[in-house]
Formats: sequence, C-alpha cells, structure tokens
Amino acid sequence: GESVGLHLPTLSVQEGDNSIINCAYSNSASDYFIWYKQESGKGPQFIIDIRSNMDKRQGQRVTVLLNKTVKHLSLQIAATQPGDSAVYFCAENGGYSSASKIIFGSGTRLSIRP
Amino acid sequence: NAGVTQTPKFQVLKTGQSMTLQCAQDMNHEYMSWYRQDPGMGLRLIHYSVGAGITDQGEVPNGYNVSRSTTEDFPLRLLSAAPSQTSVYFCASSYSTSGRHEQFFGPGTRLTVL
Repeated sequence: GESVGLHLPTLSVQEGDNSIINCAYSNSASDYFIWYKQESGKGPQFIIDIRSNMDKRQGQRVTVLLNKTVKHLSLQIAATQPGDSAVYFCAENGGYSSASKIIFGSGTRLSIRP
Repeated sequence: NAGVTQTPKFQVLKTGQSMTLQCAQDMNHEYMSWYRQDPGMGLRLIHYSVGAGITDQGEVPNGYNVSRSTTEDFPLRLLSAAPSQTSVYFCASSYSTSGRHEQFFGPGTRLTVL
C-alpha cells in the first residue's frame, strides 16, 4: 500500500513512558481543535477535542492542553503502549461555524521502543 | 452500521480521464467532507457539505466537483485527471453536538494518475 508520513517529524518514546506531541496553529480565529490518530493504511481516527474556552481536557490515557496565547496545542499520552504507534495530527476549525470545515495541521509520527 | 464506505480502494487513471470516487455513510450524519493526503503531508480539505443540497469549497478544490443529493452519499468527481492528483483520498462524515464535532473517516481510495 501507499506510505504516508514518510517525511514527518518522529517522536521516539520508550514503552511505558509518557508521550507529548506538540502542534502550533496560526489562525487566531480557531476556536475548536481536534487530535487524530492515523495508523498505517487507515483513515484518521478521532482521539480527543477541545474548545477554546478550555485549557485542558482529559480522556482515557490522553490529555489535550491548549495555550491560546502562543497558539499551541499538545497531546499527552500516558503510559505509551505499542498500539499507540501511529501518525498524530492536530486539526482546527479556523473559526468557521461550519462543523465540516476542519483543517488539518502537520503530523508527528510516534514510534515506541520496546 | 458499516460507517463510512469508499469505493474503489485503488484506481489507476491516465492523464485526462475523468472518474468519480464514491463515498457513503449510514450514520445519518449531516456533515461530509473530502480530503486528500499526499505522502509526507497532512490531510487537505477539498470540498465539504453541511447537508443534502449544500456544498462548499475547502483548501484545494480545483479540479474536483462534488454534489450531495442525499444525506448518505457524497461523490467526488475528477474532471480531467492530472498526475498532481495522485494521492490518497479520504471521505469523512460527522455530526455536531454542543459545539463538538466528531469526524468518522473511510478507509481511503488510493489514486494514481499516469
């Protein structure tokens, strides 16, 4: 199959450690942000989202932090597991009210060391 | 539920040929979108729809047409294929509730234009 993410930055993490994936956005009008996970050969999968009226949101083993001042978003994965190996993308709505107009940012490949 | 289905899975076209990529969802979602993903890149929004009969352009709409005659289907038409359109195409459907928006992606169509 076709490979994607060949030239993406890579984060290598020891199994069991916490992972932190960062994302910068440029559109100050964006008020809704999403993190996606994309495994090889598959479509992206929704992980967690956050609205701009929040600084932090937690899910199961994942936490998203939003710093609107510096337009920065991060995804924290606790106790990283082999199944977490994937490319992770942040996405934003650009301030558009239409829920369909979700724009993806650059991705990061997460690699797990045994 | 089958979720989001896309056909075909693979397609090879010659320059100048036209074709339609099919996308269907059985979740009664209002919103549907088409993205393309080139190697080493994130997903770029081509067109999107906020409901039957309503479509709009995304980031990279040139060379593509869409229509949304039913809630379930959102086909993407390539008018005259060019090598620059070689990519993996993903369709997504989504619902929006309380300002949150979860997209579900199909498995993708891998298109090569010679």
